[in-house]
Amino acid sequence: DVKVTQSSRYLVKRTGEKVFLECVQDMDHENMFWYRQDPGLGLRLIYFSYDVKMKEKGDIPEGYSVSREKKERFSLILESASTNQTSMYLCASSLLGNQETQYFGPGTRLLVL
Amino acid sequence: AQKVTQAQTEISVVEKEDVTLDCVYETRDTTYYLFWYKQPPSGELVFLIRRNSFDEQNEISGRYSWNFQKSTSSFNFTITASQVVDSAVYFCALSEETILKTSYDKVIFGPGTSLSVIP
Repeated sequence: DVKVTQSSRYLVKRTGEKVFLECVQDMDHENMFWYRQDPGLGLRLIYFSYDVKMKEKGDIPEGYSVSREKKERFSLILESASTNQTSMYLCASSLLGNQETQYFGPGTRLLVL
Repeated sequence: AQKVTQAQTEISVVEKEDVTLDCVYETRDTTYYLFWYKQPPSGELVFLIRRNSFDEQNEISGRYSWNFQKSTSSFNFTITASQVVDSAVYFCALSEETILKTSYDKVIFGPGTSLSVIP
């Protein structure tokens, strides 16, 4: 079974803090993704990566950065958290090619106060 | 442009009823892929099925079945004899085939249908 894990299920941070969300997959997938999910807005792609050290912007990259130093790990960084970044963050991974199935982690519910 | 419509925002059914979740898509490609995911209250999106555009054969998996009709651009999902554990948000998604690994045309997710199964 594909397994995608995320470092935290729930996180509470203060405005201005630097926040790290970690995602690890164990299926040797090339692609990894970060989405945020908000009521009424569905899933929106923040960043994706198709290889180590490679990254591409998604729909809403502003205020976020990512890091992929190892194939199995993809980190999402909020440089200076703001209240409008309160959301559910979902990590996913897949084989190369967007025809491949994406497998999701359990999600991190982030609250920025 | 790609688009996925799930017109039913919320559905409530009584346990053991059958329920169909609608998905209508738009794409100009001849090769594309359709997916269904389930998101229970715990939050994790669980993959249910993937279907490519050349395979219009309907599929049944236990109480779940999928009806793919290219003529109407629909990929509907039916749950037979619904159970409380089926309560979740269900997402339909569409993607087109890529050749270059750097050429990522994102997967388009529909807005989701929230299904409540009442005991």
